[in-house]
Amino acid sequence: KAGVTQTPRYLIKTRGQQVTLSCSPISGHRSVSWYQQTPGQGLQFLFEYFSETQRNKGNFPGRFSGRQFSNSRSEMNVSTLELGDSALYLCASSLGRTDPNEKLFFGSGTQLSVL
Amino acid sequence: DQQVKQNSPSLSVQEGRISILNCDYTNSMFDYFLWYKKYPAEGPTFLISISSIKDKNEDGRFTVFLNKSAKHLSLHIVPSQPGDSAVYFCAARVTGNQFYFGTGTSLTVIP
Repeated sequence: KAGVTQTPRYLIKTRGQQVTLSCSPISGHRSVSWYQQTPGQGLQFLFEYFSETQRNKGNFPGRFSGRQFSNSRSEMNVSTLELGDSALYLCASSLGRTDPNEKLFFGSGTQLSVL
Repeated sequence: DQQVKQNSPSLSVQEGRISILNCDYTNSMFDYFLWYKKYPAEGPTFLISISSIKDKNEDGRFTVFLNKSAKHLSLHIVPSQPGDSAVYFCAARVTGNQFYFGTGTSLTVIP
């Protein structure tokens, strides 16, 4: 079974630009979550999509947005990039259940550098 | 507001000894706790989990303990191996599939 695939692996952008990151979840998984990892801050939850609907949202500004397609693939968009947006962006997929056996499966991430 | 905290950024342990990684949380609504392991340039991988109705879960060399009254979670690795050297994140979930992660503890197992 293929794992979670994130593209691209690395991105370099300049301030003010926008960027789109892509995530293909594990086959059969309907939930995709996005996290931002920065040194000293751990993994910060951005949002979760389930069946093409945003189900949960973290405390990030509106410049961060996402969407999910009917095949469960998800994209995350960051507009008007700031230097502080430089981070590793991780996508996680799961079945989307709320029972105790639910687990997140992570991709390798997209390393975004904003210059 | 960091609802899940890992107060030790790093830990060094001799090979064969016990590694104990700690995690504290503030939200009493968390119903499920997990530990993830992360190597550089890779995404976190699931290690072990525990439901809030239990106080211990064991899987091979890994045991997770949950103390709900203290809002404290710990991961024990016995015996520690050099391949266990990685960053460990604890995570907690509220109903609805939203997970909160700690800032991570970097474990180094010295051969």
